[in-house]
Amino acid sequence: GENVEQHPSTLSVQEGDSAVIKCTYSDSASNYFPWYKQELGKRPQLIIDIRSNVGEKKDQRIAVTLNKTAKHFSLHITETQPEDSAVYFCAARGRQLTFGSGTQLTVLP
Amino acid sequence: GAVVSQHPSWVICKSGTSVKIECRSLDFQATTMFWYRQFPKQSLMLMATSNEGSKATYEQGVEKDKFLINHASLTLSTLTVTSAHPEDSSFYICSARDILGQYNEQFFGPGTRLTVL
Repeated sequence: GENVEQHPSTLSVQEGDSAVIKCTYSDSASNYFPWYKQELGKRPQLIIDIRSNVGEKKDQRIAVTLNKTAKHFSLHITETQPEDSAVYFCAARGRQLTFGSGTQLTVLP
Repeated sequence: GAVVSQHPSWVICKSGTSVKIECRSLDFQATTMFWYRQFPKQSLMLMATSNEGSKATYEQGVEKDKFLINHASLTLSTLTVTSAHPEDSSFYICSARDILGQYNEQFFGPGTRLTVL
């Protein structure tokens, strides 16, 4: 089955700096790669996604890149703010949606 | 986006009892729903895929007789934790796939916190 690895597990940045989270996947048939933000005790919220026919997608301060050849995709958050602090999960969907292990992002004021 | 509800949002039960959790898609039809389990500070682990009108598909290591799944309609799937034990305490989250949506997206319920005493 699909295996998704996510790094780093924790990330602290100063407010205003950029944050980058990286994921790799194993199933070349995966064609949909969403990123979720989850606050403690809440449901995962989709923040951005990318499909296999696209290499990059941007939405305001958030961007995602996909390298199908290398089977990795990354989340980029620019101009980070304290409210960006949360756990972020990447996921890859082939037969099913498989989640990465999560990254605890802390934005220091 | 589409709305998925879960009920109850939290439940406390005694060891040995059974607990039923409902997952509903409120404004779209979902032939497929998914049940996840999440331990504190860990990722979401897929337990089973629930298909309307047929048997659920369980992931390796998940006991189908312990975690009973029923998907009787296009808007409702239920997960019953039978003979619950303290190790079953966890955060259970369902999600539903919008089959008619432009991108066949998957929407998550708010989760159910189960505590077994």
